[in-house]
Amino acid sequence: NAGVTQTPKFQVLKTGQSMTLQCAQDMNHEYMSWYRQDPGMGLRLIHYSVGAGITDQGEVPNGYNVSRSTTEDFPLRLLSAAPSQTSVYFCASSYGGSGMEAFFGQGTRLTVV
Amino acid sequence: GQSLEQPSEVTAVEGAIVQINCTYQTSGFYGLSWYQQHDGGAPTFLSYNGLDGLEETGRFSSFLSRSDSYGYLLLQELQMKDSASYFCAVLYQKVTFGTGTKLQVIP
Repeated sequence: NAGVTQTPKFQVLKTGQSMTLQCAQDMNHEYMSWYRQDPGMGLRLIHYSVGAGITDQGEVPNGYNVSRSTTEDFPLRLLSAAPSQTSVYFCASSYGGSGMEAFFGQGTRLTVV
Repeated sequence: GQSLEQPSEVTAVEGAIVQINCTYQTSGFYGLSWYQQHDGGAPTFLSYNGLDGLEETGRFSSFLSRSDSYGYLLLQELQMKDSASYFCAVLYQKVTFGTGTKLQVIP
């Protein structure tokens, strides 16, 4: 049972480049979300999904796109990377819409230069 | 919107008890969760309070008072490995995290 798998673990991008952070879970969880964490700050919600085909914006959605074509996968796309998007990104999933116990991936450390 | 407040840092002695507080202002509320995060690691779930009162899980307990919009995490018999950041999170349609409390356990 792999839980929540994020790839890549580390990434360096040049300003203006685009990329997709991958997130997959094998627990059949309906609820999935993406957070970013900056030094000294908590986790800020970027986008979330309550099921396949349904997504919604969080606190800091600008510059990011998501889609949820399957229950298992919830990729995060950076459209045109900016230095302000340098951060650690976490994907999380939980059963139903409860969010009571969220399982997190190991994170992607992204640097935009 | 949602707003959560936690102390930024707490220091406690190994073997002691420490309480980490969380106050929140939300447009709606289902429950309060607590997560632990070690440096360089991912957050891991500790506990959830959907109702008022105390929830106990081993050395960790969590308390919620809906009327006071307040909760806390209580860590007993502190160990060095408990040095980490602790986040409260409010659940209402989506999950919103506080800014976290960095706990340092000293010998």
